[in-house]
Formats: sequence, structure tokens, C-alpha cells
Amino acid sequence: DIVMTQSPDSLAVSLGARATISCKSSQSVVFSSNKKNYLAWYQQKPGQPPKRLISWASTRESGVPDRFSGSGSGTDFTLTISSLQAEDVAVYYCQQYYDTPTFGQGTKVEIK
Amino acid sequence: QLHLQESGPGLVKPSQTLSLTCTVSGGSISSGYNSWTWIRQPAGKGLEWVGHIFTSGNTNSNPSLKTRVTFSVDTSKNQFSLRLSSVTAADTAVYYCARGNSGYDYWGQGTLVTVSS
Repeated sequence: DIVMTQSPDSLAVSLGARATISCKSSQSVVFSSNKKNYLAWYQQKPGQPPKRLISWASTRESGVPDRFSGSGSGTDFTLTISSLQAEDVAVYYCQQYYDTPTFGQGTKVEIK
Repeated sequence: QLHLQESGPGLVKPSQTLSLTCTVSGGSISSGYNSWTWIRQPAGKGLEWVGHIFTSGNTNSNPSLKTRVTFSVDTSKNQFSLRLSSVTAADTAVYYCARGNSGYDYWGQGTLVTVSS
């Protein structure tokens, strides 16, 4: 199995400040034939199912605010919230779909 | 806009079989080439992929659950199902159904299944 490791486990950020979450995979999730990174990011608020924010490592879902961005390739990925809003308080997960799907352990984002 | 809804017993006794169904509305389960997936989440913990089925009948499951899990699909009812046998308290979780499409783009609201006598 591909192990996904997120850091940090939690972070507290001031309103309007940048939040950065790292996700590392135990092996590359780039498919050689199409050079695509098989990596998604989700946001989960209490009592709700996860919501996909980003697929293919950097493709934002329709309707997702542009303050959310994904970057990285191979084994190292980042989710950035450029200007944290109160409604962004949630747990964020990365997930690879290159192989048998696996999720990171989650990163809890709070307001400082 | 697809809508997915899980249904099934909320309480299952240890050693028995957990059975859940996901009903898909707003579109056909047979359109496209998507996986129809089960993901679970114990209280206060992270997400665990349980497994999936395609409408072709092909399935794949989490290696840790492979010997206990079966999937089925009923295209006439636009439903897919999960059966997990020999459950223990460790199987207590919110179970989500979801559509696999470059990750998971549609999710049900989730249903809590508690394993207890």
C-alpha cells in the first residue's frame, strides 16, 4: 500500500493568514503514460462528509474558492489556503488514487 | 447532480454481518466508468477506504478487510451494497458511499453503524 503522511497534524492560523499543509506519499503517484499526479485533497467539516477540493494534485473543483490551491508532484504535495477564512476551519485530507486508494491521517485547521 | 444515500441497520451484534446499501439518484449508476465505493470513519478518526465495485462487477477491497467484505450492484435499482462479515467493535464507524472519479466527487451523508451486543 502507498502510505500518505500529512504534516502537521494540526495548525492554528490567524484569519487572513496563509495555511500550508504537506502531504507525502511513500512512492510516486505519477502515472508515467500521462504524467498526471493521482492525488486529491478533501475538506471535512464536523458532521459532514468530505468534500473534494482538488483533484490531479492541482485542479480545483468548480465552486471552490481560489484561495485554495494544490501543488507538488511525485511524492510531495501541498495544499495552501492563501487567506484563511472562518469557514475554512475543518480537517483536510489528501488521498492517492494511483493504486489501491489511501488517505492521509488528516490535518486539523483552526483559527488562532 | 448526483445524490447518494446510505441505508441499513445502525446496530449490529458482534460476529454478525453488517449490510449497507447505497441508493444513487439524479443519474444512472451505469453511466460512465466510475467506481462505486465504500469509505468508513471511526469516531474522531480518519478516513479508511473499504473497497469498491464497478457496474461490470469488478471489485477491489482494502487488504485488511478482504476476507470479510463483499460488494454487489443492482443497476435496475441504481444501488450498490456492502456486506462485512464477522464484525467486531473495531468495525464501528460512519460508513460513507461515494462515487470514484479522480478521487471521490459525490458522497452520501454517511450512516453510523455501531457493533455492540
